[in-house]
Amino acid sequence: DTAVSQTPKYLVTQMGNDKSIKCEQNLGHDTMYWYKQDSKKFLKIMFSYNNKELIINETVPNRFSPKSPDKAHLNLHINSLELGDSAVYFCASSHSGSRYEQYFGPGTRLTVT
Amino acid sequence: AQSVSQHNHHVILSEAASLELGCNYSYGGTVNLFWYVQYPGQHLQLLLKYFSGDPLVKGIKGFEAEFIKSKFSFNLRKPSVQWSDTAEYFCAVKAGGDYKLSFGAGTTVTVRA
Repeated sequence: DTAVSQTPKYLVTQMGNDKSIKCEQNLGHDTMYWYKQDSKKFLKIMFSYNNKELIINETVPNRFSPKSPDKAHLNLHINSLELGDSAVYFCASSHSGSRYEQYFGPGTRLTVT
Repeated sequence: AQSVSQHNHHVILSEAASLELGCNYSYGGTVNLFWYVQYPGQHLQLLLKYFSGDPLVKGIKGFEAEFIKSKFSFNLRKPSVQWSDTAEYFCAVKAGGDYKLSFGAGTTVTVRA
């Protein structure tokens, strides 16, 4: 049983295109996150939704737009892709509150050419 | 702003050697602390966590970590590493009532057989 799943696993696209990454969790969590891991393996939070409401929105270009249709899904749409968007994007989920660990998805490796 | 520092960028060990990875954070209030591991080609998995109580916490695969509040540290240890411990190790901190995790830059651990 996959706890946090992401699709696609790999995404290769050209500059200027628009693409989406999907995330689903079956853990019954109410909070979901998107992280970006750059080429140096550094992980940085991008967004978080709690019960479908945006609660964290770090300094991210507005070309990135998260959408949460329900508590179990958090999708990431990226417009006008740039070379610098190439990274691994991880989705995660948790129960709300600081005393709960986050469970991570397998990641989506995005390559912009 | 809160920061998390991992002192070792890359550690190379032989099997059966002992491992200690340093982690310091800058937040002065209540914190919840985590170590995650990322095996090659895989997603992040939780190794261990500290919320309160005994500052020495034991995790999976023989890992343990000690929270020293006065030093703002949460160092990870394993007495005898195996080749399968080759991975990227991330320290993460959740401050107070925050939702987000702040990650350190990661330490690459290479264990030679």
